[in-house]
Amino acid sequence: AQSVTQLDSQVPVFEEAPVELRCNYSSSVSVYLFWYVQYPNQGLQLLLKYLSGSTLVESINGFEAEFNKSQTSFHLRKPSVHISDTAEYFCAVTAIYNQGGKLIFGQGTELSVKP
Amino acid sequence: GAGVSQSPSNKVTEKGKDVELRCDPISGHTALYWYRQSLGQGLEFLIYFQGNSAPDKSGLPSDRFSAERTGGSVSTLTIQRTQQEDSAVYLCASRETGDGGYTFGSGTRLTVV
Repeated sequence: AQSVTQLDSQVPVFEEAPVELRCNYSSSVSVYLFWYVQYPNQGLQLLLKYLSGSTLVESINGFEAEFNKSQTSFHLRKPSVHISDTAEYFCAVTAIYNQGGKLIFGQGTELSVKP
Repeated sequence: GAGVSQSPSNKVTEKGKDVELRCDPISGHTALYWYRQSLGQGLEFLIYFQGNSAPDKSGLPSDRFSAERTGGSVSTLTIQRTQQEDSAVYLCASRETGDGGYTFGSGTRLTVV
């Protein structure tokens, strides 16, 4: 079985500051990793994913995440945040061996960007 | 369609009534998932379909919950004899097997009064 821990439930930051949202996972098998974003009153949108290859993955809006197998982490970072990044962010995993596998989510991190 | 469509977007029902929530996945996506999002519980997996069969229904919270999928496409989640603790946002996602990418619908917000 897999589990995901998002270490911070809320992260307040000022606009243009850097941010890191932490995610650790536990799994006895290899996994795919995802970050999803949920803007207020909207559904979940895929932000970025790690399937294989380069351990550093990037999104189109400046976020990046690095898969660290030894530390079982997949932290999300952005060097300079905008007000529009205010949202809830969810880290998720699924076991690679089970091609139909369900996503296991963390509890979410609420990012609040203040002017 | 272009995305995963869920209906209704909002549903208010009286305690004890049955409700049906519908999910129309992306055309060609063979895998379909239902999740529940509620305050304090995060995102909970309910059930997974591969085609019309459900290999994993381990997340259904009670026998009041059931789901079916027909034609490898539309899925319906049914909650019988609704209770107040069933109030939540019910999310559906579909996926093209092997791709790794899941696409979520906007959800159905269920309120049981």
